[in-house]
Amino acid sequence: TQLLEQSPQFLSIQEGENLTVYCNSSSVFSSLQWYRQEPGEGPVLLVTVVTGGEVKKLKRLTFQFGDARKDSSLHITAAQPGDTGLYLCAGRDSNYQLIWGAGTKLIIKP
Amino acid sequence: DVKVTQSSRYLVKRTGEKVFLECVQDMDHENMFWYRQDPGLGLRLIYFSYDVKMKEKGDIPEGYSVSREKKERFSLILESASTNQTSMYLCATRRTGSMQPQHFGDGTRLSIL
Repeated sequence: TQLLEQSPQFLSIQEGENLTVYCNSSSVFSSLQWYRQEPGEGPVLLVTVVTGGEVKKLKRLTFQFGDARKDSSLHITAAQPGDTGLYLCAGRDSNYQLIWGAGTKLIIKP
Repeated sequence: DVKVTQSSRYLVKRTGEKVFLECVQDMDHENMFWYRQDPGLGLRLIYFSYDVKMKEKGDIPEGYSVSREKKERFSLILESASTNQTSMYLCATRRTGSMQPQHFGDGTRLSIL
C-alpha cells in the first residue's frame, strides 16, 4: 500500500510567521496536488506539480516537488489568518489512482 | 463555476437503517468519487465511477454500495448502517485526464446512533 505522510499533523503559529509543511512517500508519483480544506467545506485545489524539482508560487505560497518525485513541500511566507485550514497533498500513482495524505491542520492566530 | 451538490450537510440515522447519500454535479464530468474523511486518516476512497452505470471499488467498499444511473448523479448507499460508519462523506468529480483536479462537494456529516 502506498502512503503519503504529511508532517506536521498540526501547526499553530502567529500571524506573520513563516512555515513549511511536508508530504513524503517512498513511492514515485507522476504528479502531486495540494488542496486546502476550510471548515464546513470540501477540499479545493491549490496547485499541481508534475516535474521533478518543479517550484510553483501562488502569492505567499511556494510549492516544490522533489527531484525524485517522491516528496513535496509547501512553504507559506508571512502567514495570515485566512491561511487557516487543512492542507492535503495527493499524489497520482502509476495506476492513475490518487493517493491522499492525512493532512496538516494549520491555525494562524491573529 | 464548478458545482458539486451533496443532498444533506448533516444527517442522523439509526443502526441498521438503509442510508442514501446523494451527489449531483453540473459540469458533465465523467468521473465521480465517494470518500469518507476521518481525523488523522485523511480521505479514503469508498467507490468511484468513470461512466454511467459503471462503478469500481475503492480502498474501503465494505458496507457500502453505489448507483450511477445518470451522468450527473452518484449515490452512496449504506446497506445497514453501523456506528463505525459515522463520518464525514465527501463527493468529488473530475474530468477525464490525469492532470485534472477533483472538485468536491461540501460534505455530509453522518452520525449513526
